[in-house]
Amino acid sequence: DAMVIQNPRYQVTQFGKPVTLSCSQTLNHNVMYWYQQKSSQAPKLLFHYYDKDFNNEADTPDNFQSRRPNTSFCFLDIRSPGLGDAAMYLCATSPITTGNEKLFFGSGTQLSVL
Amino acid sequence: GESVGLHLPTLSVQEGDNSIINCAYSNSASDYFIWYKQESGKGPQFIIDIRSNMDKRQGQRVTVLLNKTVKHLSLQIAATQPGDSAVYFCAENWKNNAGNMLTFGGGTRLMVKP
Repeated sequence: DAMVIQNPRYQVTQFGKPVTLSCSQTLNHNVMYWYQQKSSQAPKLLFHYYDKDFNNEADTPDNFQSRRPNTSFCFLDIRSPGLGDAAMYLCATSPITTGNEKLFFGSGTQLSVL
Repeated sequence: GESVGLHLPTLSVQEGDNSIINCAYSNSASDYFIWYKQESGKGPQFIIDIRSNMDKRQGQRVTVLLNKTVKHLSLQIAATQPGDSAVYFCAENWKNNAGNMLTFGGGTRLMVKP
C-alpha cells in the first residue's frame, strides 16, 4: 500500500544523456516536491508544485525541469546530466503548503551518471 | 541550512540505552519541526513533529524537545533497538515567497550495538 511511488529505484544514465525520473501518489495531495540528496547530506529542495503552479528554488540549476500532468504524477527531467548530478532523488507530497504539514516521501531513485 | 561534507556525525549506543540526537535550526521564524528517520536506500520516514507553541512532545519511545531560545531541537529515543539504526534528520518549516517550505538540517547517524 505504498502511497508515494518512485520509479525506477535505480537509474543509470550517461553523461549528457537526458533522463526522466517519475513519481506517483495515491494520497490525492495538492503539493508534490522533488528533493536531491547526495551521499551523507540532507535532502535539498529542488522545486515543488502546488496543484499546477510550479515553484522553483532559486539555486536549482536550469538543467533540472519538472512536469506535473495531473494530480497523481510528477516527473523530474534532467536535460544534460553531469557527474555531479549523481544522487538520490526523492519525491514527496503534502496536502497543502500552509505549513504544519509533514511530507510523505517515496523510496527515492538513485541516479548514477557514467 | 544545507549540510556540507562527506561525513555525518555518528552516535553509537548500546542496545537498550537511551539515545539523544541534537539539531540546531537556523530560522527563528520557523513554526513547525519534524524528525525524520532514513534507513539506507530508503526515503525519509516521519517519526514525530512539534509545533513552536510547545516545548515537548512524546510519542511511542520517542520524545522531541524544542528550545526556541537557543534554536535547538532534540530527539530522545528510549530503550534503543537495533532497528533504530539509521540517519536522523530534523526539519524546520518556514515561509518564503512560495509558501511554507520544509528545510532539512544536517543528519546524525545512529548506530546501535547489540
